[in-house]
Order: sequence, then C-alpha cells, then structure tokens
Amino acid sequence: QVQLQESGPGLVKPSDTLSLTCGVSASSISSGDWWGWIRQPPGKGLEWIGYIHYAAGAHYNPSLRSRVTMSIDTSKNQFSLRLTSVTAVDTAVYYCARIVYSVPYHNRFDPWGQGTLVTVSS
Amino acid sequence: QSVLTQPPSVSGAPGQRVTISCTGSSSNIGAGYSVHWYQQLPGTAPKLLIYDNTNRPSGVPDRFSGSNSGTSASLAITGLQADDEADYYCQSYDTNVREVFGGGTKLTVL
Repeated sequence: QVQLQESGPGLVKPSDTLSLTCGVSASSISSGDWWGWIRQPPGKGLEWIGYIHYAAGAHYNPSLRSRVTMSIDTSKNQFSLRLTSVTAVDTAVYYCARIVYSVPYHNRFDPWGQGTLVTVSS
Repeated sequence: QSVLTQPPSVSGAPGQRVTISCTGSSSNIGAGYSVHWYQQLPGTAPKLLIYDNTNRPSGVPDRFSGSNSGTSASLAITGLQADDEADYYCQSYDTNVREVFGGGTKLTVL
C-alpha cells in the first residue's frame, strides 16, 4: 500500500524558509494522483496548505498562497513544500498525504505520512 | 475560526452512542460537496474514517457511520469503546478556499 514519509529540518529561524520533502513508496508520483500538505499547530486543528499534480500544477490555501511553493521530483518519486518568511505561528506538525476522489472536488486525504514537527525559533 | 464548525468535545460511557456534528454553509457542505471524517489517536497522524459522507474504508468497523443533510454532517459512533478516545475532524471542499477542515472534536470515553 502507498506510504508517505516527511523529512526536513525540525528547527527553522524566524524569517527563514521552511523546506520539507515527502517521499512516496508503492506508488508513482506521476500516476495521476494529487499530493498535498496539511499542518497542525501544537494542540490545535488541521489546516490545508495545498496540493500538487505532476502535470496539472498546484493549488494553495489562499491564506498562505503568497508564501508557499510546492514542487515534484519525479526522478526521486517525491514532492516538496517551501514556506517563506516563517514566524512562530508557522510552528506545527506538517503532514503530507495523497489526495483521492470518487468525483472531482470531492477530495479526501488518504493515506497520511506520520508527520514532522517544525519549530520556528531563533 | 474554522469554516466547518464542530463541538470542541463530546463524551460517552462505554457501550453508548455519541454523535459529532459538522456545520458548514452553502459554499461547502450545502453545495453538495462530500464530507469526510478523520480519526486522530493521541500522538499519531489522522486516519480516514468515513469518506463521501457515508462510506467506510476497509477495516473501519461498522460502529462508525456518517450522514449529512443540508449544510451539516454528522459522525455517529455506537458501542463506544475505550480505544475510540481520539480527536475527530470533518473535511470538505469549499468553493472559496478549496479544502477545509472542522476545528476538531475531542471524544472522551468516560
């Protein structure tokens, strides 16, 4: 079954860029699925960041759009997240996930990676 | 403030039935977009519990069921068990934001 694994620095300085990668196994990242990122601040709820398709581009949460870029590396079967100009409010567990749908726009996230905690602090 | 509204907490005794509501609007649930539910056990990643309003992925017990009507959806758990204690989130598509989650509901098994 499809498995996802996040990787990247656990500590980022304020105003720097947060960079994470999600490795995908048991599925090709160019299979036609969308791949996404979700975050969860400590003790709080889930927030959708965005998702990307190898051929169709990316869609981002409007509240983060000015700071977010996602990319896909088909040679490594992985996709990435960049979030610029981070502050303490960006401290969160970041999850990657595959997007699945029975009908377009009726998207669900399944499965999820285990998540990685990124702390923004000097 | 989440686009989808859930009660912060619900509780029930073992064996009882509990429901968790998810209230949206005409730009998401009310527009006919599917509602999905996730279970997040302590210290773990969310797991898909119900998809497309009423469907259970393979392996999810039939004690869990979903429904929706108008601009709201509900998750019902019957025969409550201790290991159902978790956070539960609803999720749907929104014409303004795309993907939105509820604020989450903490289920306590008394």
